[in-house]
Amino acid sequence: QSVLTQPPSASGTPGQRVTISCSGSSSNIGSNIVNWYQQLPGTAPKLLIYSNNQRPSGVPDRFSGSKSGTSASLAISGLQSEDEADYYCAAWDDSLNGVVFGGGTKLTVL
Amino acid sequence: EVQLVESGGGLVQPGGSLRLSCAASGFTFSSYWMSWVRQAPGKGLEWVANIKQDGSEKYYVDSVKGRFTISRDNAKNSLYLQMNSLRAEDTAVYYCARVGTTVVTFDYWGQGTLVTVSS
Repeated sequence: QSVLTQPPSASGTPGQRVTISCSGSSSNIGSNIVNWYQQLPGTAPKLLIYSNNQRPSGVPDRFSGSKSGTSASLAISGLQSEDEADYYCAAWDDSLNGVVFGGGTKLTVL
Repeated sequence: EVQLVESGGGLVQPGGSLRLSCAASGFTFSSYWMSWVRQAPGKGLEWVANIKQDGSEKYYVDSVKGRFTISRDNAKNSLYLQMNSLRAEDTAVYYCARVGTTVVTFDYWGQGTLVTVSS
């Protein structure tokens, strides 16, 4: 059972906008920044969003992040087939004194 | 180009030990925190440990405290994870990751090395 809660699955058709939620508590998301990682099938994870809403160079602006209170969201607009992957949120937890990940959301492009 | 290459994984019996290595190149290794993150087969990501640039600070997930030790050799641009008293639940792909601007920003990852704990 992960400290951060994500829906196990999400789906959309090409061109659609999808959002993935990440719910935490005051000791993690409520007081620290949130990052998002993308893991394509059979590959290592890749940093997708950092500091709640910042994109590393090379990440398309179709990907955006937001945070409010103890929850965060990843939005993907103009969905493409290559976006089919697992997505993970992550934050520092002040109580556990460590990094916590969400359980991951498997995104399917129909 | 930043490269992280893990090695040392394999099959080990419960209660056994294994030492993972991560060879870093393409950046000033001694300037960055480094981390190990693992992923059990078919499961999600789990942070394992972090180490400060000079090795003076180390943090571990509770499930490995007292059994795993993270270390580094800046002269060799290498990160290590000594794993003792291994359990079946430690079976996972272990990734070496560079820590970027914040402690949860793993901006570069290795390809991973598989550790299987089984009799």
